[in-house]
Amino acid sequence: GAVVSQHPSRVICKSGTSVKIECRSLDFQATTMFWYRQFPKQSLMLMATSNEGSKATYEQGVEKDKFLINHASLTLSTLTVTSAHPEDSSFYICSARNARGDNNEQFFGPGTRLTVL
Amino acid sequence: QKEVEQDPGPLSVPEGAIVSLNCTYSNSAFQYFMWYRQYSRKGPELLMYTYSSGNKEDGRFTAQVDKSSKYISLFIRDSQPSDSATYLCAMNSGGYQKVTFGIGTKLQVIP
Repeated sequence: GAVVSQHPSRVICKSGTSVKIECRSLDFQATTMFWYRQFPKQSLMLMATSNEGSKATYEQGVEKDKFLINHASLTLSTLTVTSAHPEDSSFYICSARNARGDNNEQFFGPGTRLTVL
Repeated sequence: QKEVEQDPGPLSVPEGAIVSLNCTYSNSAFQYFMWYRQYSRKGPELLMYTYSSGNKEDGRFTAQVDKSSKYISLFIRDSQPSDSATYLCAMNSGGYQKVTFGIGTKLQVIP
């Protein structure tokens, strides 16, 4: 149980385009989902916390107008990188917290590798 | 000073060895401690989850927390080549609080 999927697993796009990444909890309901970014040889950095039915909470230094988050249902959150630039190239990982489980346990998706040319 | 310090390695050990991975932290409010395993180009997988000080064992894995020293450890017994991965420590003060991750230690178990 507690499977989280992400789509796409890999995306290459041109500078200036927008990219949407989906995060789904497959066998549980997630009231809260998290979006992280991981650069090579660096730790996971929390970008934003996404709560179903409400606006996402962004970490300091993360531009909310650039990284649009939508959490429309208990099983789906999306991250849209708008007007992507090469410096946005990174590994984006989502995680989900089970609405019925331990409030502190997060289950991670497999990640999406974004390359902006 | 980072909230969580973790040696990035790499750490190379022969198959069958006991592996010791460690993290230190500075925030005394941290109460929940986790270890994740991350294979290359994959998302992290939760291995161990402990609350407050003490030990927790699960198969070949043992997690230890010493809150007085702000020091946590993960031990892997009878290490296998399939254990080769990056191990991330993570912690928070509980409930809906933000989780802070270490940088991860890259482990290689040599057959």
